[in-house]
Amino acid sequence: QVQLQESGPGLVKPSGTLSLTCAVSGGSISSSHWWSWVRQPPGKGLEWIGEIYHIGSTNYNPSLKSRVTISVDKPKNQFSLKLNSVTAADTAVYYCATSWPLDYWGQGTLVSVSS
Amino acid sequence: QSVLTQPPSVSAAPGQKVTISCSGSSSNIGNNYVSWYQQLPGAAPKLLIYENNRRPSGIPDRFSGSKSGASATLGITGLQTGDEADYYCGTWDSSLNAGVFGGGTKLTVL
Repeated sequence: QVQLQESGPGLVKPSGTLSLTCAVSGGSISSSHWWSWVRQPPGKGLEWIGEIYHIGSTNYNPSLKSRVTISVDKPKNQFSLKLNSVTAADTAVYYCATSWPLDYWGQGTLVSVSS
Repeated sequence: QSVLTQPPSVSAAPGQKVTISCSGSSSNIGNNYVSWYQQLPGAAPKLLIYENNRRPSGIPDRFSGSKSGASATLGITGLQTGDEADYYCGTWDSSLNAGVFGGGTKLTVL
């Protein structure tokens, strides 16, 4: 069974870049899954950020596309999220998951944007 | 504003049945599979239903899904206090070429 674990800084300064990594265990990042990032602002609903396939194909949420990059690191069996020019509105719990459907999820990591 | 529309809240008594609706359009629900997620307080979302009406292993048959046109419905029978959670519908939107979610529905078991 696939297991996912997010990691990265819990605090990012405004206008900076949010960087997170999702480590995949119990399966290969080169399997048939697409790999997604989803976020949830405090007290609000889920927002799909984007996804990547192991060959590098990506799909992004149009509302975030100009600021998002998702990449894959096959040797480390992990994938990553970069979100630049962050503001307080990007404060959220960030989840990695397999997609679609989103059948395996990480536990999530809270990232706060504050000076 | 979410692409998919869900009621903000529903409630019912223990043992009763509840349904949660999810409304979209031909570019999303109308032409793609719908999945449903349960998010218990303080936890990550969990897949409940996929491909409109299929249950992953371990999900009890008290949970069911259906789809008609551009709308989908999650049904929960034999409500338990442990079912109190937020429920989200999700699907692919072929026009946006992106995944989309409903705004979520908070279930209260009175």
